[in-house]
Amino acid sequence: QVQLVQSGAEVKKPGASVKVSCKASGYVFTSFYIHWVRQAPGQAIEWMGRVNPTDGSTTYSQSFQGRVTMTRDTSTYTFYLDVDNLTSDDTAMYYCTRGGYSFAHPSGVSYDYWGQGTLVTVSS
Amino acid sequence: DIQMTQSPSSLSASVGDRVTITCRASQNLNNYLNWYQQKPGKAPERLIYVTSNLQSGVPSRFRGSGSGTDFTLTISSLQLEDFATYFCQQTYSTPHTFGQGTKLEIK
Repeated sequence: QVQLVQSGAEVKKPGASVKVSCKASGYVFTSFYIHWVRQAPGQAIEWMGRVNPTDGSTTYSQSFQGRVTMTRDTSTYTFYLDVDNLTSDDTAMYYCTRGGYSFAHPSGVSYDYWGQGTLVTVSS
Repeated sequence: DIQMTQSPSSLSASVGDRVTITCRASQNLNNYLNWYQQKPGKAPERLIYVTSNLQSGVPSRFRGSGSGTDFTLTISSLQLEDFATYFCQQTYSTPHTFGQGTKLEIK
Protein backbone atom coordinates (compact mmCIF):
# COMPACT_ATOMS: atom_id res chain seq x y z
CA GLN A 1 0.00 0.00 0.00
CA VAL A 2 1.14 3.54 -0.71
CA GLN A 3 2.67 5.26 2.29
CA LEU A 4 4.36 8.59 2.90
CA VAL A 5 6.04 8.61 6.30
CA GLN A 6 7.38 11.89 7.59
CA SER A 7 10.00 12.69 10.19
CA GLY A 8 9.12 13.76 13.70
CA ALA A 9 8.24 17.10 15.22
CA GLU A 10 10.85 19.85 15.37
CA VAL A 11 11.35 22.85 17.64
CA LYS A 12 13.59 25.56 16.24
CA LYS A 13 14.71 29.03 17.19
CA PRO A 14 14.10 32.03 14.93
CA GLY A 15 16.75 32.26 12.22
CA ALA A 16 17.43 28.54 12.25
CA SER A 17 16.76 26.03 9.47
CA VAL A 18 14.72 22.84 9.48
CA LYS A 19 14.83 19.71 7.34
CA VAL A 20 11.73 17.54 7.05
CA SER A 21 11.84 14.14 5.39
CA CYS A 22 9.16 12.08 3.66
CA LYS A 23 9.83 8.43 2.90
CA ALA A 24 7.75 6.94 0.11
CA SER A 25 6.80 3.30 -0.29
CA GLY A 26 4.27 1.11 -2.05
CA TYR A 27 4.58 2.63 -5.51
CA VAL A 28 7.17 3.40 -8.17
CA PHE A 29 9.10 6.27 -6.62
CA THR A 30 9.74 8.15 -9.85
CA SER A 31 6.17 8.02 -11.12
CA PHE A 32 4.53 10.81 -9.16
CA TYR A 33 5.22 14.41 -8.20
CA ILE A 34 5.56 15.13 -4.51
CA HIS A 35 4.19 18.43 -3.23
CA TRP A 36 4.87 20.12 0.07
CA VAL A 37 2.12 22.09 1.78
CA ARG A 38 1.80 23.57 5.22
CA GLN A 39 -1.07 24.38 7.53
CA ALA A 40 -0.71 26.94 10.29
CA PRO A 41 -3.28 26.86 13.10
CA GLY A 42 -6.57 28.25 11.87
CA GLN A 43 -5.13 29.07 8.46
CA ALA A 44 -5.75 27.79 4.96
CA ILE A 45 -3.48 25.13 3.59
CA GLU A 46 -0.59 26.74 1.74
CA TRP A 47 1.22 25.18 -1.21
CA MET A 48 4.99 25.50 -0.96
CA GLY A 49 6.14 23.72 -4.09
CA ARG A 50 6.67 20.41 -5.83
CA VAL A 51 9.49 18.14 -6.92
CA ASN A 52 9.66 15.83 -9.90
CA PRO A 53 11.33 12.63 -8.66
CA THR A 54 12.58 11.63 -12.11
CA ASP A 55 15.06 14.48 -12.41
CA GLY A 56 14.75 16.44 -9.18
CA SER A 57 13.38 19.52 -10.91
CA THR A 58 11.37 21.81 -8.70
CA THR A 59 8.69 24.49 -8.81
CA TYR A 60 8.42 26.73 -5.79
CA SER A 61 5.77 29.14 -4.66
CA GLN A 62 6.94 32.73 -4.97
CA SER A 63 6.05 33.10 -1.30
CA PHE A 64 8.90 30.75 -0.39
CA GLN A 65 11.33 31.30 -3.27
CA GLY A 66 14.88 31.55 -1.98
CA ARG A 67 14.04 30.17 1.43
CA VAL A 68 12.99 26.59 0.69
CA THR A 69 14.74 23.73 -1.05
CA MET A 70 13.05 20.50 -2.09
CA THR A 71 15.17 17.49 -2.94
CA ARG A 72 14.87 13.76 -3.27
CA ASP A 73 17.13 10.78 -2.75
CA THR A 74 16.35 8.02 -5.21
CA SER A 75 18.48 5.50 -3.32
CA THR A 76 16.38 5.75 -0.16
CA TYR A 77 13.04 6.73 -1.73
CA THR A 78 12.98 9.83 0.42
CA PHE A 79 11.99 13.42 -0.23
CA TYR A 80 13.29 16.37 1.75
CA LEU A 81 12.08 19.87 2.52
CA ASP A 82 14.55 22.45 3.81
CA VAL A 83 13.29 25.77 5.14
CA ASP A 84 15.82 28.46 6.05
CA ASN A 85 15.70 31.56 8.20
CA LEU A 86 12.69 30.44 10.21
CA THR A 87 10.37 32.90 11.93
CA SER A 88 7.38 32.39 14.19
CA ASP A 89 5.19 32.64 11.09
CA ASP A 90 6.65 29.33 9.94
CA THR A 91 5.11 27.49 12.89
CA ALA A 92 2.82 25.01 11.16
CA MET A 93 2.13 21.41 10.28
CA TYR A 94 4.07 20.48 7.16
CA TYR A 95 2.79 17.75 4.84
CA CYS A 96 4.22 15.93 1.86
CA THR A 97 1.59 14.73 -0.55
CA ARG A 98 1.56 12.84 -3.82
CA GLY A 99 -0.01 14.50 -6.80
CA GLY A 100 0.18 13.89 -10.52
CA TYR A 101 2.18 11.63 -12.77
CA SER A 102 5.74 12.84 -13.20
CA PHE A 103 5.63 12.19 -16.95
CA ALA A 104 2.36 14.05 -17.54
CA HIS A 105 1.41 17.71 -17.64
CA PRO A 106 1.28 18.86 -14.05
CA SER A 107 -2.01 20.74 -14.40
CA GLY A 108 -5.20 19.31 -13.09
CA VAL A 109 -3.68 17.01 -10.51
CA SER A 110 -5.07 16.10 -7.13
CA TYR A 111 -3.35 14.84 -4.01
CA ASP A 112 -4.23 11.22 -3.41
CA TYR A 113 -1.86 10.28 -0.58
CA TRP A 114 -0.57 12.38 2.28
CA GLY A 115 2.11 12.02 4.90
CA GLN A 116 1.04 12.15 8.52
CA GLY A 117 2.45 15.66 8.92
CA THR A 118 5.44 17.12 10.74
CA LEU A 119 4.85 19.85 13.28
CA VAL A 120 7.48 22.56 13.14
CA THR A 121 7.42 25.02 16.02
CA VAL A 122 9.54 28.16 15.86
CA SER A 123 10.01 29.80 19.21
CA SER A 124 12.72 31.68 21.04
CA ASP B 1 -2.23 33.64 -7.92
CA ILE B 2 -5.76 32.25 -8.17
CA GLN B 3 -7.83 33.19 -5.12
CA MET B 4 -10.27 30.62 -3.76
CA THR B 5 -13.24 31.89 -1.76
CA GLN B 6 -15.01 29.15 0.15
CA SER B 7 -18.27 29.55 2.03
CA PRO B 8 -19.54 29.20 4.59
CA SER B 9 -16.56 29.12 6.95
CA SER B 10 -18.59 27.10 9.42
CA LEU B 11 -21.87 25.26 9.32
CA SER B 12 -24.02 23.59 11.97
CA ALA B 13 -26.20 20.76 10.77
CA SER B 14 -27.93 17.61 11.96
CA VAL B 15 -27.58 14.00 10.95
CA GLY B 16 -29.69 13.46 7.87
CA ASP B 17 -29.47 17.06 6.66
CA ARG B 18 -28.44 18.03 3.17
CA VAL B 19 -25.59 20.54 3.13
CA THR B 20 -23.90 22.53 0.41
CA ILE B 21 -20.47 24.14 0.47
CA THR B 22 -19.42 26.51 -2.28
CA CYS B 23 -16.08 27.53 -3.68
CA ARG B 24 -15.50 30.42 -6.06
CA ALA B 25 -12.28 30.94 -7.98
CA SER B 26 -10.90 34.26 -9.17
CA GLN B 27 -10.52 32.83 -12.69
CA ASN B 28 -11.64 29.91 -14.82
CA LEU B 29 -10.25 26.60 -13.51
CA ASN B 30 -11.04 24.35 -16.48
CA ASN B 31 -12.71 22.10 -13.87
CA TYR B 32 -9.42 21.51 -12.05
CA LEU B 33 -11.07 21.76 -8.66
CA ASN B 34 -10.65 19.23 -5.85
CA TRP B 35 -12.26 18.74 -2.46
CA TYR B 36 -10.61 17.34 0.68
CA GLN B 37 -11.95 16.29 4.06
CA GLN B 38 -9.88 16.77 7.20
CA LYS B 39 -10.63 15.42 10.66
CA PRO B 40 -8.96 16.80 13.79
CA GLY B 41 -5.34 15.77 14.14
CA LYS B 42 -5.29 14.04 10.75
CA ALA B 43 -3.98 14.85 7.31
CA PRO B 44 -6.52 15.90 4.68
CA GLU B 45 -7.98 13.15 2.52
CA ARG B 46 -9.05 13.46 -1.09
CA LEU B 47 -12.80 13.36 -1.46
CA ILE B 48 -13.53 14.55 -4.99
CA TYR B 49 -11.19 15.40 -7.85
CA VAL B 50 -11.57 17.34 -11.08
CA THR B 51 -14.91 18.79 -9.96
CA SER B 52 -17.03 15.66 -9.78
CA ASN B 53 -14.98 12.46 -9.60
CA LEU B 54 -15.53 10.59 -6.36
CA GLN B 55 -12.48 9.14 -4.63
CA SER B 56 -12.69 5.36 -4.40
CA GLY B 57 -14.38 4.37 -1.15
CA VAL B 58 -16.13 7.71 -0.63
CA PRO B 59 -19.89 7.28 -0.16
CA SER B 60 -22.18 8.37 -2.95
CA ARG B 61 -23.89 10.91 -0.66
CA PHE B 62 -20.96 13.19 -1.54
CA ARG B 63 -21.32 15.00 -4.84
CA GLY B 64 -19.21 17.62 -6.54
CA SER B 65 -20.42 19.90 -9.29
CA GLY B 66 -19.71 23.18 -11.01
CA SER B 67 -17.74 24.70 -13.82
CA GLY B 68 -15.73 27.75 -14.72
CA THR B 69 -15.28 29.62 -11.47
CA ASP B 70 -18.12 28.28 -9.31
CA PHE B 71 -18.11 24.88 -7.64
CA THR B 72 -20.19 23.05 -5.06
CA LEU B 73 -19.77 20.16 -2.68
CA THR B 74 -23.06 18.63 -1.61
CA ILE B 75 -23.60 16.02 1.08
CA SER B 76 -27.07 14.61 0.57
CA SER B 77 -27.72 13.08 4.00
CA LEU B 78 -25.20 13.86 6.71
CA GLN B 79 -23.80 11.03 8.75
CA LEU B 80 -21.91 11.33 12.03
CA GLU B 81 -18.60 10.58 10.36
CA ASP B 82 -19.04 13.53 7.96
CA PHE B 83 -18.54 16.14 10.65
CA ALA B 84 -15.14 17.49 9.69
CA THR B 85 -13.49 20.38 7.86
CA TYR B 86 -13.70 20.56 4.08
CA PHE B 87 -11.30 22.36 1.75
CA CYS B 88 -11.49 23.14 -1.94
CA GLN B 89 -8.30 23.38 -3.99
CA GLN B 90 -7.47 24.52 -7.50
CA THR B 91 -4.70 22.86 -9.48
CA TYR B 92 -5.19 24.76 -12.73
CA SER B 93 -2.00 26.68 -12.09
CA THR B 94 0.70 27.02 -9.51
CA PRO B 95 0.70 27.96 -6.75
CA HIS B 96 -2.05 25.45 -6.03
CA THR B 97 -4.36 27.38 -3.76
CA PHE B 98 -6.89 26.19 -1.21
CA GLY B 99 -10.06 27.67 0.17
CA GLN B 100 -10.09 28.72 3.82
CA GLY B 101 -12.10 25.66 4.78
CA THR B 102 -15.60 24.91 6.02
CA LYS B 103 -15.95 23.42 9.47
CA LEU B 104 -19.04 21.24 9.60
CA GLU B 105 -20.32 20.86 13.14
CA ILE B 106 -23.12 18.93 14.76
CA LYS B 107 -26.15 21.05 15.62
